[in-house]
Amino acid sequence: GNSVTQMEGPVTLSEEAFLTINCTYTATGYPSLFWYVQYPGEGLQLLLKATKADDKGSNKGFEATYRKETTSFHLEKGSVQVSDSAVYFCASPEAGTALIFGKGTTLSVSS
Amino acid sequence: DTAVSQTPKYLVTQMGNDKSIKCEQNLGHDTMYWYKQDSKKFLKIMFSYNNKELIINETVPNRFSPKSPDKAHLNLHINSLELGDSAVYFCASSRAGVLGEQYFGPGTRLTVT
Repeated sequence: GNSVTQMEGPVTLSEEAFLTINCTYTATGYPSLFWYVQYPGEGLQLLLKATKADDKGSNKGFEATYRKETTSFHLEKGSVQVSDSAVYFCASPEAGTALIFGKGTTLSVSS
Repeated sequence: DTAVSQTPKYLVTQMGNDKSIKCEQNLGHDTMYWYKQDSKKFLKIMFSYNNKELIINETVPNRFSPKSPDKAHLNLHINSLELGDSAVYFCASSRAGVLGEQYFGPGTRLTVT
């Protein structure tokens, strides 16, 4: 079945630093790929998505490009803010609509 | 105007008890899910229902029983609670055929003592 592997955290950055969180996938074919974010004490929210190879998803200053050559979907942001502190999950659907999640990467941004 | 709601938000109970968690969505979605998040933040699908029918039932102890009285509700009943059931349980919903775009509830933190 599909699987998603993302870099282990935690990631600790200063405000305005550049962020990269790596995500790679293993799948039959080219599934849609997603990044979800979980703020402290809340449920997950869809951050961005890409439905086919070379697609770029973007939202709230975050970007990720679906690269089939490297089977990757790395999350990037040029300048993080304290409010970006959260847990980030890479995900891909399997078995219809259920999501397979990576293990999550905790981001802490300090001012 | 909450999209996906869960009750209760916190649940503390003793081993051996039976408890239920309720979930409701007002988005008109056809598909609902239960996920379990452990203490290391790892998320795993437990069940999925489409129009009140069970479509995904992962390897979960049969002490866990989902019930969907209508397509807006998916409740989770847990019998004979064990220490290892302590986790955060998330309900989610999505439109049929829209792969991966799911809306999550705020979670229910279950603590079994």
